[in-house]
Order: sequence, then C-alpha cells, then structure tokens
Amino acid sequence: DAGVIQSPRHEVTEMGQEVTLRCKPISGHDYLFWYRQTMMRGLELLIYFNNNVPIDDSGMPEDRFSAKMPNASFSTLKIQPSEPRDSAVYFCASSSQDSRHQPQHFGDGTRLSIL
Amino acid sequence: DQQVKQNSPSLSVQEGRISILNCDYTNSMFDYFLWYKKYPAEGPTFLISISSIKDKNEDGRFTVFLNKSAKHLSLHIVPSQPGDSAVYFCAAREQGTSYGKLTFGQGTILTVHP
Repeated sequence: DAGVIQSPRHEVTEMGQEVTLRCKPISGHDYLFWYRQTMMRGLELLIYFNNNVPIDDSGMPEDRFSAKMPNASFSTLKIQPSEPRDSAVYFCASSSQDSRHQPQHFGDGTRLSIL
Repeated sequence: DQQVKQNSPSLSVQEGRISILNCDYTNSMFDYFLWYKKYPAEGPTFLISISSIKDKNEDGRFTVFLNKSAKHLSLHIVPSQPGDSAVYFCAAREQGTSYGKLTFGQGTILTVHP
C-alpha cells in the first residue's frame, strides 16, 4: 500500500517567494495533519483536517501560512511570502477514525530552505 | 510553552546494553502517550503507545513505562542494536480532544555503537 506522499522532497527558494507544499494522504484516511519540525521545538502541529474540513489551525504561525484540502486525496500548505525563519522540514500525516488508537502515518517530509 | 519535553537531546549506548529515553509532560489532561522513531530523510514511524490506565506496555525489545504522579514516561530498549540509532519522539494526546491531535516533544537522538 502506498503511504503518505509529499512533494517536493526538497525546496530551495528566495525569501519573498510563494511556496506550496503538497500531500496525498493514505486512501481511506479521514484525518490529515501538517507538522513542522525544528531543532528547538521538535514536531509542531500546524493544522489538521477531518473529512477535508479544517478542525484546528491554532498552530499556524502567521497569516502568511495557509492550508487547504479540496478533496480527500490532496492537501496543500502554502507560505506567502516566505521568510528565512520558515526554513524547516514540513511533514504531512494521515490517520483513520475507524481505529481510535491507530497512530498517525507520516510522509517523508519536505525540506524547505528559504534563502 | 512546551507541554511535552524530552530534556536529553542525545543518548549514546553500546550495542547489547539498555537504552532509556525519557519524556516529561505538564498537562494532566493527557491520557494517551506514544513513541515515534525517525530515521534521517524519512518521516516518523509509530513504535509503541500506552494508555493512562496502564503503567507499562511491552512490545518485544521495547517497553514504555508511565508514572502519572511524576508526569513522566520512559522508553526502554533492551538489548539495543545499531539499527535502533534514530531520533525518538515522545507524543501525547489530551483527554476529550478531537481524535488524533498529538503534542510532540523535541526528540532525542539515540546512537547505538557496535
């Protein structure tokens, strides 16, 4: 079975540019999560969706960050305009409500570098 | 405000010995705890979990212990193997919150030497 698929794997861009990260969750999963990993704070939850609806976006750092889930098989995280402090690894994860204690399945992440 | 803390950024252990990774939390509403393992250039993968109604859960070489009064959990790996070298994240879920929302710690880098 295909796992969570993220693209691109690496992104290098100059500050001020728009960045779009993409995620395809595991088929059948009804929860989707976006995380950011930094050395100082570890894995921070940015936002999560249930059945394509945003449930909690309290972790989104600023208005420069936005996330959408137009359908059950696709989500984007957008940063506009990007800043050097946004440099981090961004992970997408998905899970299923059918098994309450089933853990989240993570993609391999997008390493973002803002110059 | 870090509700889940892993105070040791790194741990180095000899192959065959025990590895003990520690995690502290401040939120008394957490009722479910998980450990994830992460290799370089890969996403975290689930390792083991424990509910707050238990104080121990074992899965092969991995055992998680929960001390609710101290708000402390630990992951024991016995015996440690070089393939266990990875970053280990502790995570917790708050009672009554929507399913799935986890709070993670900063991670501990485990290195197991042959």
